[in-house]
Amino acid sequence: SQTIHQWPATLVQPVGSPLSLECTVEGTSNPNLYWYRQAAGRGLQLLFYSVGIGQISSEVPQNLSASRPQDRQFILSSKKLLLSDSGFYLCAWDTDLLGNTIYFGEGSWLTVV
Amino acid sequence: DAKTTQPTSMDCAEGRAANLPCNHSTISGNEYVYWYRQIHSQGPQYIIHGLKNNETNEMASLIITEDRKSSTLILPHATLRDTAVYYCIVRGVRSGNTPLVFGKGTRLSVIA
Repeated sequence: SQTIHQWPATLVQPVGSPLSLECTVEGTSNPNLYWYRQAAGRGLQLLFYSVGIGQISSEVPQNLSASRPQDRQFILSSKKLLLSDSGFYLCAWDTDLLGNTIYFGEGSWLTVV
Repeated sequence: DAKTTQPTSMDCAEGRAANLPCNHSTISGNEYVYWYRQIHSQGPQYIIHGLKNNETNEMASLIITEDRKSSTLILPHATLRDTAVYYCIVRGVRSGNTPLVFGKGTRLSVIA
């Protein structure tokens, strides 16, 4: 069966510090991968998605970046965090199958102080 | 931008059916209707999806109108644990070029 894991689950980072959130998917190959963010009391915002290794599409210009070094690995990074980067970050995956369903990870809570 | 319209919030008595409406008047022929829900501080959970026909699974039923411009998610016997934000989403059949875009959803409160 397929599983998705992301970590860390919770982190508190000072303004200006770097960020690295990692997500891996198991039990499938060539998945589409996504990063979403949910600020407190707000809806889900799509940040990045990837249809293959090294292929990243950005939905919102910001100080975040994403990379996909391996087929089932998706990393969200920042060189210098801002207070506004605080939120709940979710990794998700699906495949290009008819009527496909997207599955989400457990989420990572980021607080920038 | 999301291509669906949902009420902001709804209440439902515990044990009664919860009927959550969704309008998607611009849906195209190859787009599915998906429903997800998000319980506080968790990732969204898939509920059900459909193209034209009504669908039912262990969680819910999905009723799609004949013109496909609207649908209703039915939770037959709502429990307190069904309190969540419910998202209705339309999406093309090939996922890679059509990322899932969430609207604001409907906040369902199940009341004892």
